Amino acid sequence: GAGVSQSPSNKVTEKGKDVELRCDPISGHTALYWYRQSLGQGLEFLIYFQGNSAPDKSGLPSDRFSAERTGGSVSTLTIQRTQQEDSAVYLCASSLDWREQFFGPGTRLTVL
Amino acid sequence: EDQVTQSPEALRLQEGESSSLNCSYTVSGLRGLFWYRQDPGKGPEFLFTLYSAGEEKEKERLKATLTKKESFLHITAPKPEDSATYLCAVQAWSGSRLTFGEGTQLTVNP
Repeated sequence: GAGVSQSPSNKVTEKGKDVELRCDPISGHTALYWYRQSLGQGLEFLIYFQGNSAPDKSGLPSDRFSAERTGGSVSTLTIQRTQQEDSAVYLCASSLDWREQFFGPGTRLTVL
Repeated sequence: EDQVTQSPEALRLQEGESSSLNCSYTVSGLRGLFWYRQDPGKGPEFLFTLYSAGEEKEKERLKATLTKKESFLHITAPKPEDSATYLCAVQAWSGSRLTFGEGTQLTVNP
């Protein structure tokens, strides 16, 4: 079956612009996660969805970051007024239960 | 706060030269320890989940082991296609997030 997909694969934006990153999880997976991977750093947790609700959003670095999930499926991560330090690879993962998270290919965001 | 430290940061091996990667962790109640493989430009690929000290899991040339403080990923007779970054992560009973280490970049030369 299809894995986790993310779009766009690459996004270049100017400082101050808003961006939206999309994640399509594996069909039937109720849990969805967003992580960020910066150069030279490990993956950093951002937010966790169970269904359409987000019981853990403690990893969002500032109020410029928000995410939503609709229909228990697709999720969108929005970054407002992007800054250069937001440049990173944004990874989405989904899971049926806690034992295994399946990752997508990521969106590489570059803020100029 | 959960913490994961991986060593070495980088490892270069000759084909057939066995070695081990280390993952040291502190977590408030370990639910699971995860190993992932990540190739350049791709998302992490799941390898193993270990649940309790003393557990071992194997997949092809890889074997993961777990103690109360650390995990090892043993690579036996590696091949060039095993070259990748290997990531270790922990999950606590208190939440669903994974806390990752910074990874070990493995290069296997033919």
